[in-house]
Amino acid sequence: AQKVTQAQTEISVVEKEDVTLDCVYETRDTTYYLFWYKQPPSGELVFLIRRNSFDEQNEISGRYSWNFQKSTSSFNFTITASQVVDSAVYFCALSGGSSNTGKLIFGQGTTLQVKP
Amino acid sequence: ETGVTQTPRHLVMGMTNKKSLKCEQHLGHNAMYWYKQSAKKPLELMFVYNFKEQTENNSVPSRFSPECPNSSHLFLHLHTLQPEDSALYLCASSLQVTTDTSTDTQYFGPGTRLTVL
Repeated sequence: AQKVTQAQTEISVVEKEDVTLDCVYETRDTTYYLFWYKQPPSGELVFLIRRNSFDEQNEISGRYSWNFQKSTSSFNFTITASQVVDSAVYFCALSGGSSNTGKLIFGQGTTLQVKP
Repeated sequence: ETGVTQTPRHLVMGMTNKKSLKCEQHLGHNAMYWYKQSAKKPLELMFVYNFKEQTENNSVPSRFSPECPNSSHLFLHLHTLQPEDSALYLCASSLQVTTDTSTDTQYFGPGTRLTVL
C-alpha cells in the first residue's frame, strides 16, 4: 500500500531562518510521482513541485529547494531565508504509476509558522 | 476567471437540507476530482471523473452524489448529511487521468467550507 508520512506536525521559526520539511513515502511502484503543495489560510492548495521517480536531481526554485533521495524514500523541502508569507500548511503527496487512477495520497501536512 | 473556482465558499446546512457544491475549471482539463479535508485528517479523495466518466468512487456514502455534465464543471449534491460531514471540500482538475505510468499535476480550487448543524 502507498503511504506518505510527514512526521513534523508543526514547525515554528523566526523570519530569515532556514527550515526543512520532511516527507517519507512508501510505495511498491517503480514509477511514481511526488508532489508538494502549499495551503495558506485561504484554503486553496497551491502546487509547488512534481517529480517522477526516475529523476533524482535536486531542484531549486528561488528560496525553495527539494531533496529527493530514493535510497531513503524521502522527498524533503527546504525554505531558505523564510518569510512570514511562507506561513501555511505544506502537504507532500504521492501518486502511483502502474495502478494510476489519478489518486493522490497525501501526508498529514506540516504547519509552518514564520514569526517576524 | 482563471484556474479552478468553487462556489459557494461557505455553506451552513441542516441535516435535512439538500444543497449542491459547484466547481468549474478554466484550464482546459479533462479530469476533475472531489476531495474532503477534515480537521486533523489527511485529504481524502472522494470521486474522480475523466472525460465526464466517473472512474473512482472511494467508498463515499450515498448522501454525497457527484455530477459531471462536461469536462469543465463538477457538482457535489448533498442530502441528509451528518455533522461529521462538516469539512472543507476541495475540487481539483488535471489534464486527464492517464492509463500509462504518467501522472498529471492536479490543480485545486479554494474549497467550500461546509458546516452541517
